[in-house]
Amino acid sequence: DTAVSQTPKYLVTQMGNDKSIKCEQNLGHDTMYWYKQDSKKFLKIMFSYNNKELIINETVPNRFSPKSPDKAHLNLHINSLELGDSAVYFCASSSRDGLDYGYTFGSGTRLTVV
Amino acid sequence: RKEVEQDPGPFNVPEGATVAFNCTYSNSASQSFFWYRQDCRKEPKLLMSVYSSGNEDGRFTAQLNRASQYISLLIRDSKLSDSATYLCVVTGYGGSQGNLIFGKGTKLSVKP
Repeated sequence: DTAVSQTPKYLVTQMGNDKSIKCEQNLGHDTMYWYKQDSKKFLKIMFSYNNKELIINETVPNRFSPKSPDKAHLNLHINSLELGDSAVYFCASSSRDGLDYGYTFGSGTRLTVV
Repeated sequence: RKEVEQDPGPFNVPEGATVAFNCTYSNSASQSFFWYRQDCRKEPKLLMSVYSSGNEDGRFTAQLNRASQYISLLIRDSKLSDSATYLCVVTGYGGSQGNLIFGKGTKLSVKP
C-alpha cells in the first residue's frame, strides 16, 4: 500500500486552464502539506493543514486553493494556470510529532504548463 | 541570508571515498534537523534525523552544532547507490506545528 499517493503523476495543460491535484495518505497522520519544487530543485512549502484546518499559507498566489475534506486528504486546485506554475508538486504528511520523525512524501506531480 | 544553506555541488567521488556535506541554518529557534535524500525525479526520503549529541547509522554520521547553527553529514565507504541529492532540513518554527525548511541540496555522484 502506498503511504502518500498523489494523482496525477504527470499533468500537461495549457495556460489559463484550471486543474486539480489530489493527495491521500493512509498513515493516520494529522498534518498534510503541499510543497513546490521548481526547475532549480528548490523545495518550498506552500500550505500546511492539521486535521482539516489551514495552518500555514506561505506567499502563494490566490490562484492556488488547497482543500482538505478530511484529515486523510489534501487536494490542490489551481486556477488560471501560468507558465511559471510549471514545477513538481509534492504532497507530504506527518504525525503531530512530525518534527521529530520527519515527513513522508508522495511521489510528486510533474505539472507542465504550455 | 538564506534559511538553509548547503555546500554547492556537485561532489564527484570514487567508490569507497569518504565525503562530507555541510549545512548552516539561520533560525536559532529551529528544534529539529534532518538529512533527506532525493534521487533523480523522485520524492525526498528521510535519511536520518540529526541529534545534538551526533548520531550514526551504518556508514552515515550526522553532527549538529547549535551554537554555530551548523549541521554535517559524513558518508564513509561510499557506494554507487549513494549517488543522489542530499537535502539539509530544519524546522521553520518552534512548537509542534511548524514546517520543514529545505536546503537546495548537494548532488553526490559516486563513480566506479
